[in-house]
Amino acid sequence: AQSVTQPDIHITVSEGASLELRCNYSYGATPYLFWYVQSPGQGLQLLLKYFSGDTLVQGIKGFEAEFKRSQSSFNLRKPSVHWSDAAEYFCAVGAGNYGQNFVFGPGTRLSVLP
Amino acid sequence: NAGVTQTPKFQVLKTGQSMTLQCAQDMNHNSMYWYRQDPGMGLRLIYYSASEGTTDKGEVPNGYNVSRLNKREFSLRLESAAPSQTSVYFCASSVREGSTDTQYFGPGTRLTVL
Repeated sequence: AQSVTQPDIHITVSEGASLELRCNYSYGATPYLFWYVQSPGQGLQLLLKYFSGDTLVQGIKGFEAEFKRSQSSFNLRKPSVHWSDAAEYFCAVGAGNYGQNFVFGPGTRLSVLP
Repeated sequence: NAGVTQTPKFQVLKTGQSMTLQCAQDMNHNSMYWYRQDPGMGLRLIYYSASEGTTDKGEVPNGYNVSRLNKREFSLRLESAAPSQTSVYFCASSVREGSTDTQYFGPGTRLTVL
């Protein structure tokens, strides 16, 4: 079965600084990888996804993520953080077939200092 | 499109009471899901419905029942609520993209059981 770890429970960055959120997965076959963002009191919004092809994927709100098979990682990055990016971020891995095989990481909470 | 909608947004129950959480999607998705979100544990799958007329247990089904009323609607029922069911509940629906599904989430229902 697949699993996902997000090593950082909470990260604080200053507005305008760069951001990298880490995600490591465990899965024996080709993974399908996702990043979701959850603003306070809201549902989860899909930021980006990786299925195959180019290992650097672009998402909404200026986010990007890079799939590194050798490191079993799918880290999320943003060059310049805005105060509105403060939220919780979830990495997820799908194992093909149906969505019941989705596994979410525990989440990383991002705080942004003015 | 409204996407995935959930009612109610908030609910307080006493131990032993029953209630039904409603979910509807207008994206013509075949598959739908119920998750619960607890601090530090990410999202855990309660039940899912791969298609209209079918339902299956997820990771944490005990204490819950579901009904896939039609293609649009998927409800979650707590027959006898317990304090351990205090959580935030998310409904999702998914669309097949390539070899896997991408899930889209509703805004959530915050449930407190006293």
